[in-house]
Amino acid sequence: AQKVTQAQTEISVVEKEDVTLDCVYETRDTTYYLFWYKQPPSGELVFLIRRNSFDEQNEISGRYSWNFQKSTSSFNFTITASQVVDSAVYFCAALSKAGTALIFGKGTTLSVSS
Amino acid sequence: DGGITQSPKYLFRKEGQNVTLSCEQNLNHDAMYWYRQDPGQGLRLIYYSQIVNDFQKGDIAEGYSVSREKKESFPLTVTSAQKNPTAFYLCASSRGDREFGMNTEAFFGQGTRLTVV
Repeated sequence: AQKVTQAQTEISVVEKEDVTLDCVYETRDTTYYLFWYKQPPSGELVFLIRRNSFDEQNEISGRYSWNFQKSTSSFNFTITASQVVDSAVYFCAALSKAGTALIFGKGTTLSVSS
Repeated sequence: DGGITQSPKYLFRKEGQNVTLSCEQNLNHDAMYWYRQDPGQGLRLIYYSQIVNDFQKGDIAEGYSVSREKKESFPLTVTSAQKNPTAFYLCASSRGDREFGMNTEAFFGQGTRLTVV
């Protein structure tokens, strides 16, 4: 069975704090993609990043960075110097070569206060 | 602009009624999906279609039906057999990736919020 686990249900931080969102993907497959999505209050899911299971390079995009470790099947997402506009629900998702559609974690609600 | 269009944004259903949610994409993607989102539950797959005239049930297909007569369109019907249809419904599409022979990231529409009245 495959499963995406986001252990943190809710996180609250104050602006300018760094925050890391955790994600673990349980699978026996060796070929898969991992994704992060952002869901603002408007409801639409916004794609942030894709990582394949053979690429363990960290990725940085502005204040966002991602760390994938295949040995622990973790794909963590860090927001540096958080801002109020970062407040949203963040979903981790996965798709294995043996799968048919993306499977999602239950999401982490991030609240950034000023 | 390329994207996925869902309509309506809000939908109210009376007990015993069937309702159809529309999903159209102009991204030329082969795969399309319907997910249901309930508070605290994440997204759960209802139906999936890889090509025209073919679709597969997801984890929670009971009480739902779909069709895929055109590549661009993947409507979802919520039937009266669905006992708890109040939820947020999201349609998505994705393209294939030749490198690994699988689909890649899904792009989502703005969603339809269905309420039973």
